[in-house]
Amino acid sequence: LAKTTQPISMDSYEGQEVNITCSHNNIATNDYITWYQQFPSQGPRFIIQGYKTKVTNEVASLFIPADRKSSTLSLPRVSLSDTAVYYCLVGDPPTSGTYKYIFGTGTRLKVLA
Amino acid sequence: GAGVSQTPSNKVTEKGKYVELRCDPISGHTALYWYRQSLGQGPEFLIYFQGTGAADDSGLPNDRFFAVRPEGSVSTLKIQRTERGDSAVYLCASSSAEGGTYNEQFFGPGTRLTVL
Repeated sequence: LAKTTQPISMDSYEGQEVNITCSHNNIATNDYITWYQQFPSQGPRFIIQGYKTKVTNEVASLFIPADRKSSTLSLPRVSLSDTAVYYCLVGDPPTSGTYKYIFGTGTRLKVLA
Repeated sequence: GAGVSQTPSNKVTEKGKYVELRCDPISGHTALYWYRQSLGQGPEFLIYFQGTGAADDSGLPNDRFFAVRPEGSVSTLKIQRTERGDSAVYLCASSSAEGGTYNEQFFGPGTRLTVL
C-alpha cells in the first residue's frame, strides 16, 4: 500500500476554490486514489475516487496527472461547513480483495468567513 | 436509509477490564471494517470481515483484541485486559463489496473508549 503525503493544514476563505495536493510516489499500477472527509466527532465520509486524469462529481473534482504520483482534490467555492479533515488514500479496493485503507494524518482545512 | 450504527457512543472503563463494542452495518453490506482513531491522527485499520470470516486481521495490535461477526451482519470488537493506551475512538465501516468502480466505505459515528 502506497504511502501518501499531504499538507498538515490549510486555511481558506468562503467562496474560494481550495486545492489539496497529495503525493503518492510509490503508487502501484492497480491502485486507485480515494479522498475522504471527516468532521469532528463523525466517521470519515467518501468524497471522490479516481484512477487517472480527471474525475468530477457534485461536490469535488479530482485531478490525477499522467504519472499518477500525485493527485489534487479541488473543492469549488468552499463554505464554512467545508471545514474538516481531508484524507487522501491509495489502494486497490475494487479488485484486490484486501479492501484495506491506510489513512495518513490528513489535511485540516479551515474555512474562514 | 439507516447508516452504520455503533454502540455505545461512549465507554469509560478501568484498566484491566473487558469491553465489547458493537457495530451494526448497513443492511446488505457484506464487508465490515474496524478502525481505531487516536486524537489528531487518521483512522488506523484493525480488521476486515467479508461475510462471517475475518479476511484481514493484520491491524489488530495484539491478542487482547478480537472481533467476531457470527451471522455476517452485526460485529463485536472485544478488548480484554484494557490498557490506558487503548483509549481512542473505535470506528466501524461497511461496504457492499459487490464490485462496481469503487469500494466506498460507510463509517459509523464511532465509540469513544476511555480507559482510566
